[in-house]
Amino acid sequence: DAGVIQSPRHEVTEMGQEVTLRCKPISGHDYLFWYRQTMMRGLELLIYFNNNVPIDDSGMPEDRFSAKMPNASFSTLKIQPSEPRDSAVYFCASRAQGTDTQYFGPGTRLTVL
Amino acid sequence: AQSVSQHNHHVILSEAASLELGCNYSYGGTVNLFWYVQYPGQHLQLLLKYFSGDPLVKGIKGFEAEFIKSKFSFNLRKPSVQWSDTAEYFCAGGRGYQKVTFGTGTKLQVIP
Repeated sequence: DAGVIQSPRHEVTEMGQEVTLRCKPISGHDYLFWYRQTMMRGLELLIYFNNNVPIDDSGMPEDRFSAKMPNASFSTLKIQPSEPRDSAVYFCASRAQGTDTQYFGPGTRLTVL
Repeated sequence: AQSVSQHNHHVILSEAASLELGCNYSYGGTVNLFWYVQYPGQHLQLLLKYFSGDPLVKGIKGFEAEFIKSKFSFNLRKPSVQWSDTAEYFCAGGRGYQKVTFGTGTKLQVIP
């Protein structure tokens, strides 16, 4: 298995632009998580899905952030409009039902100028 | 609120020194605890986990952690670190499998 795949690996954009981050979970995994990592706040859970349904989005910082999971093999995290304070590394992770280990993707390093 | 805290943000050790990274959690009742590691340029990987049973948990690469319920702690230890252990270490905790809260991480730098 290729593991969790994220794209792009790096994104540099200007303030106000729309940013879309993509994630492909490990095949067969029922849970998908989006995290944000910053120096100040460490690793924060933004939202997670179970069987493509958002379960807990309490970590999403504001309405500019949205996440979707249209099918079991694809999820997006969108920021519109982006702001410099959104600069961070965004990780996607997936987990199989009934197991306890999350598998992380390589992350997307977002820089908003 | 339920949380996990790591008090050491940056630790520098010489090779062969012993390591202990602190982790405290604020959950009451049953809790599942994890340590993850992020090597430079790589994604997070699970080092070890505790769900129940023996409070001393052994993980990969010679790491271990001890769950001390009375202290709400789950400190990570390694008797002798190597340069290749340079990484960022995250403690995490949660109830069940669903939502896991991560600490802010501890950057470990091992000097040859």
